[in-house]
Amino acid sequence: AQSVAQPEDQVNVAEGNPLTVKCTYSVSGNPYLFWYVQYPNRGLQFLLKYITGDNLVKGSYGFEAEFNKSQTSFHLKKPSALVSDSALYFCAVRDRGSSASKIIFGSGTRLSIRP
Amino acid sequence: GAVVSQHPSWVICKSGTSVKIECRSLDFQATTMFWYRQFPKQSLMLMATSNEGSKATYEQGVEKDKFLINHASLTLSTLTVTSAHPEDSSFYICSATVARTYEQYFGPGTRLTVT
Repeated sequence: AQSVAQPEDQVNVAEGNPLTVKCTYSVSGNPYLFWYVQYPNRGLQFLLKYITGDNLVKGSYGFEAEFNKSQTSFHLKKPSALVSDSALYFCAVRDRGSSASKIIFGSGTRLSIRP
Repeated sequence: GAVVSQHPSWVICKSGTSVKIECRSLDFQATTMFWYRQFPKQSLMLMATSNEGSKATYEQGVEKDKFLINHASLTLSTLTVTSAHPEDSSFYICSATVARTYEQYFGPGTRLTVT
């Protein structure tokens, strides 16, 4: 069965510093991997995805993530954090079976950027 | 493109009544729609998967008679919470996907409060 782990409930970073939000996954075969962001009382906003190709994926708002097959990780990164990046971040995995395959979400990591 | 809407965005109802939540794909035809619920400060939990014109597939532990899902067309799925109780209060999010693609598009969510 596929699963996603986000080991950190909360990540605190000073504005201007680089940030990393960790994600590891477990799935048979090659997965589709996603990062989403959620602001209070809002739905999910898509940040980026890994499907195939280059292991470094660039997404919205300056975020990027690196697919590491050997470590089964897909950590989210940003070189310079903004206060407005403070939100709840979800890593998600989906197998390549079909479009009806369900997405499994990690438990979420709350990112807090202090001025 | 690929916009998913939900209606209503929030609803308050009395215990014992039923509430219907609509999920619409505005500019594409969704072959599959998913319903999630999210408790405060928790991740999204998949409730069910619905394909147009067929019965929904419910996840383990989700009562299909309590959470009625109808996917009558390629652009509309509804979730009806029957005989709602305060413990059904939650944030409900739908998503939609297109055949032979890997991405899900999420609605903005519906906050249900049962008093």
